Amino acid sequence: GAGVSQSPSNKVTEKGKDVELRCDPISGHTALYWYRQSLGQGLEFLIYFQGNSAPDKSGLPSDRFSAERTGGSVSTLTIQRTQQEDSAVYLCASSPPGRSTDTQYFGPGTRLTVL
Amino acid sequence: KNQVEQSPQSLIILEGKNCTLQCNYTVSPFSNLRWYKQDTGRGPVSLTIMTFSENTKSNGRYTATLDADTKQSSLHITASQLSDSASYICVVRLNAGNMLTFGGGTRLMVKP
Repeated sequence: GAGVSQSPSNKVTEKGKDVELRCDPISGHTALYWYRQSLGQGLEFLIYFQGNSAPDKSGLPSDRFSAERTGGSVSTLTIQRTQQEDSAVYLCASSPPGRSTDTQYFGPGTRLTVL
Repeated sequence: KNQVEQSPQSLIILEGKNCTLQCNYTVSPFSNLRWYKQDTGRGPVSLTIMTFSENTKSNGRYTATLDADTKQSSLHITASQLSDSASYICVVRLNAGNMLTFGGGTRLMVKP
């Protein structure tokens, strides 16, 4: 079946521009996560959505970062006024309902380069 | 501060050999520990998940162990193959909420 998909796969932008990254989770998965992976660094949690609950935004590095999840499915991560330090691979993951199966299924990521 | 430390940072082994990757954590209270494999340019893929009460779990040639008392986990790869070349990430989940703490990963290279 279809896995988590992300678009675009690569994005090059100029410093100061806004970017939107999209994540399509696996159908039926209620939990959705955004992570950032900088070159040579570990994964960094950004934001978590679970069903209709208020999202856990505790990992967002600044107010330039925001995310939405429309209709409990597709999610968009927006970075405003991008900075060079925002360059990283942005990974999205989804999980099915129920803690007994809380394996996260990751998408291929979006590689963001800010010039 | 909750942390997950992995060692070694990188490892090179010959095809067919075994290897063991280490993960030490200070995350508390602990819910479960996962090992992920991440191929270059791809998203992580889950290998194993272990709860507090589990000591070992296998997935093919991958065997993970967990010592919750010493807060250590290891991932043993048997009879390595070239396709095992990847980063292996240890991830610990807190007992409350859904926050995951990721280790920095071990980059494994298997050479012919």
